[in-house]
Amino acid sequence: QKEVEQNSGPLSVPEGAIASLNCTYSDRGSQSFFWYRQYSGKSPELIMSIYSNGDKEDGRFTAQLNKASQYVSLLIRDSQPSDSATYLCAVNMDSNYQLIWGAGTKLIIKP
Amino acid sequence: KAGVTQTPRYLIKTRGQQVTLSCSPISGHRSVSWYQQTPGQGLQFLFEYFSETQRNKGNFPGRFSGRQFSNSRSEMNVSTLELGDSALYLCASSSNPGSQPQHFGDGTRLSIL
Repeated sequence: QKEVEQNSGPLSVPEGAIASLNCTYSDRGSQSFFWYRQYSGKSPELIMSIYSNGDKEDGRFTAQLNKASQYVSLLIRDSQPSDSATYLCAVNMDSNYQLIWGAGTKLIIKP
Repeated sequence: KAGVTQTPRYLIKTRGQQVTLSCSPISGHRSVSWYQQTPGQGLQFLFEYFSETQRNKGNFPGRFSGRQFSNSRSEMNVSTLELGDSALYLCASSSNPGSQPQHFGDGTRLSIL
C-alpha cells in the first residue's frame, strides 16, 4: 500500500516564527515531491516542488528532501497569519505520474 | 486565461440517485484528474484522463466513472449514490500527464441525504 503520512495538526505557530511541516512516504523509489497549500473553502495550489536530496528555497519557503529517510519537509520562515492553511504533501510514486496525497497538516499562525 | 471550471458548485441528492459532474480544464490542458476530498482523508484519486483515454484509476467502486471529450472537457458520474459519497469533488488539469502544477477547480460539493 503506497502511503503518504502527515500529522493532521493543527500546528500552531506564533507570527514571525518558523513553521515546520513534515511528510513521510512509503515508496523508496519515489522521485517527485510536492507541497500544495489549501485555504479553507478553496482549492489546493502548488507552492513547492522538489526532486533531489537537499534543500530548495523559494522566498520564505524551503523544501527539504531526505530520500534515505523517506521524508520531505516544508519550512516557512517569518510566518504570517496569511500562511494559515492546510498544507498537503503529494508524492509521485510510479511511472504513471499518479500522485499519492497526504491528508494534510492544518497550520495556524497566531498574531 | 480562464481557470478550471467545475459545475455545479453545490449539489444535493438522495441515496440511490445518480449524478454527473462537469469539468472544463484550462485552455490547452489535455490532462484532467478527479479527486474526492473528505475531512481528514485528504485527496483520494479517482481517475485521470488524457486525450479522451483513462490513464489511471484509483481504488473506487465501479459506481464512479468518467469520460473526456475531444475538447478535453471531462465529466464524472456516480451512480446509486450512498451517504458516504458526500464529499468535495475536485478536478485538476495540467498540460500533460505528470506535468506540474496541477491546476484545481473550485470543486463540486455533493451532499447525499
